[in-house]
Parts: sequence; structure tokens; C-alpha cells
Amino acid sequence: IQMTQSPSSVSASVGDKVTITCRASQDITSSLAWFQQKPGKAPKSLIFAASSLETGVPSRFSGSGSGTHFTLTISSLQPEDFATFFCQQYDSFPFTFGPGTRVDMK
Amino acid sequence: EVQLVESGGGLVQPRTSLRLSCAAFGFNFDDYAMTWVRQAPGKGLDWVSSISGNGGNSGSTHYADSVKGRFTISRDDVKKKVFLQMNRLRAEDTAVYFCAKSPGYRTTYFDSWGQGTLVTVSS
Repeated sequence: IQMTQSPSSVSASVGDKVTITCRASQDITSSLAWFQQKPGKAPKSLIFAASSLETGVPSRFSGSGSGTHFTLTISSLQPEDFATFFCQQYDSFPFTFGPGTRVDMK
Repeated sequence: EVQLVESGGGLVQPRTSLRLSCAAFGFNFDDYAMTWVRQAPGKGLDWVSSISGNGGNSGSTHYADSVKGRFTISRDDVKKKVFLQMNRLRAEDTAVYFCAKSPGYRTTYFDSWGQGTLVTVSS
């Protein structure tokens, strides 16, 4: 299953709403996770099952979608949110990640 | 608190072997599926291999096509460790290798990650 993300990068300011799209090449129902990764660090789980927020993740992060089209939304970008975001499908092996969306400061 | 600590990375020559280890702390290790994910320098995340936990098909393994037949994942539930035996290494295996835990015995997404260990394959 191929995963694509758009945009590949976005420049935004603190307080902006940011939306990232992830598409799967076939139906993965809701078997989708989102991760945030900062340079030199391990990825951090944000969302699983397409829309369930991981414990401890701020409520400004939300996920939606099912089937082949998914979105990650940050409602009001905070300074600590600048990072790269990846989606991952876990509907079937081999598991696959999207190529990533870099969110940097405008 | 869940903690995963990888070790065993280093600089090796092509066609040689390396064994990575991941030590787990803070959870009942046997019950959870474990996975290796790698990231080549400046690139995205690449799923490598997974092994299931207790329950269902305990210890069942899966591999990416790029490593099938060369890499072997295993686990020692007594020592609370997961391993990745990497044989016939290639330059394209150069990456940071992360150990990750799934929230149940089946491999799904990854709710905890280690900090990674760097493997460099070069002559």
C-alpha cells in the first residue's frame, strides 16, 4: 500500500491552522496513525485509528478520514509544533509510511 | 514509564553482519508486539520487521521485502529484549534503526519509540 502526503512542506506562523493530507493507494479503513518527528529525535505518536488522540497529546491536534483519504489538523500552531509529520498505515503488511510533511516557520 | 533503549549499531563493511538489541523497561514486555523501523540520513521512515507478542499467533514475524532473507527479528521475553540480526549488509541499509512498541500483542501502530542506533555500512 503506497502512502502519499501533501503538501511536502508548509511554512506557517504561530497561531495558524495547518492541515496535512495523507492518501492511501487502497482502502485501509481507519488503520492510520500520525507521528511527529523533530530533528535528531525519535518519532512521537500523535493519533491512531485515524482520529483517536494519543494520551497526553494536546487537543489542538486532530485527525479525520477513513478509506483512502485522511487529514491531520493543527488548529492553532504552537512554537513546539514545528517538525515533520508522517502518516502510517497498519491495515496490512508491509506497513508503510508517508514521505512526510515538514512544517516550518514562515 | 515505558522506555526502549537500542544498542549494537556501528560502522561495518558491506556483506558483513550486525546484531541490534532493544531493551524494554516499564511495561509487561511479553504482551506487546515489537517492531524495527529505520530512517536513512535525511529520509523518511521505513518499516523493517515486526514480531507479535503473547496471544494469538505469538512470536509471528513479518519483514519488508528489502530485508527478507537477510534480517531476522527475535525476542527474549525473559530478558525483555528484541533483536534484529542483520546479515549480508548493504550500503542501502545505512540508517538509524528505531525499536518501537505496539499497544497490543498484534503489530499495529507504534505508541512508544526508542532513540535509535545508527548503522553505517561502508567500505
